[in-house]
Amino acid sequence: RKEVEQDPGPFNVPEGATVAFNCTYSNSASQSFFWYRQDCRKEPKLLMSVYSSGNEDGRFTAQLNRASQYISLLIRDSKLSDSATYLCVVLTNFGNEKLTFGTGTRLTIIP
Amino acid sequence: DTAVSQTPKYLVTQMGNDKSIKCEQNLGHDTMYWYKQDSKKFLKIMFSYNNKELIINETVPNRFSPKSPDKAHLNLHINSLELGDSAVYFCASSQAGRGETQYFGPGTRLLVL
Repeated sequence: RKEVEQDPGPFNVPEGATVAFNCTYSNSASQSFFWYRQDCRKEPKLLMSVYSSGNEDGRFTAQLNRASQYISLLIRDSKLSDSATYLCVVLTNFGNEKLTFGTGTRLTIIP
Repeated sequence: DTAVSQTPKYLVTQMGNDKSIKCEQNLGHDTMYWYKQDSKKFLKIMFSYNNKELIINETVPNRFSPKSPDKAHLNLHINSLELGDSAVYFCASSQAGRGETQYFGPGTRLLVL
């Protein structure tokens, strides 16, 4: 079983729609959780951290369910510029700062 | 100014050659990383260094040798290149601590022929 699993997509969504991505992780000792965004032929960039209480940043909402080892990302009122690959990322050990990346979910927003 | 920079951006070479990729960060971070992203876009850590000391070595073949002359630089030398080494290699840096954000360089696209 992969340490971090995501639906690879692609998700093709009309502009203005709401889209949700899910991710599961296998290591219950994982301590920090993130969503990164990677545009085509570019480097990954942090989109947002994910907290147990849930957190929101504009149109983006992230949720963490530790009991189910499940992370989600919701994008409301999607824009063309949201087209990218969204990477679910888990930090397992604060000592060595090792991030484990999911394979990513590819999102295309259609005009 | 670029925070994490890598050179070269593209590298095309023959099997069996030895090549190096350089990485520099001007963020004052004390931890640096090398990642490999394969053709299926899967991003996997290879190495990390904290203050020039090797912290993570993810069972990478010993043909790959990272070198950190100072905490702002982490270079990657690859000996006897193989076809399977073709990938995008990303350097990253972060401030050591509890899950601090990692900042990635633009990537080096390596193609081994």
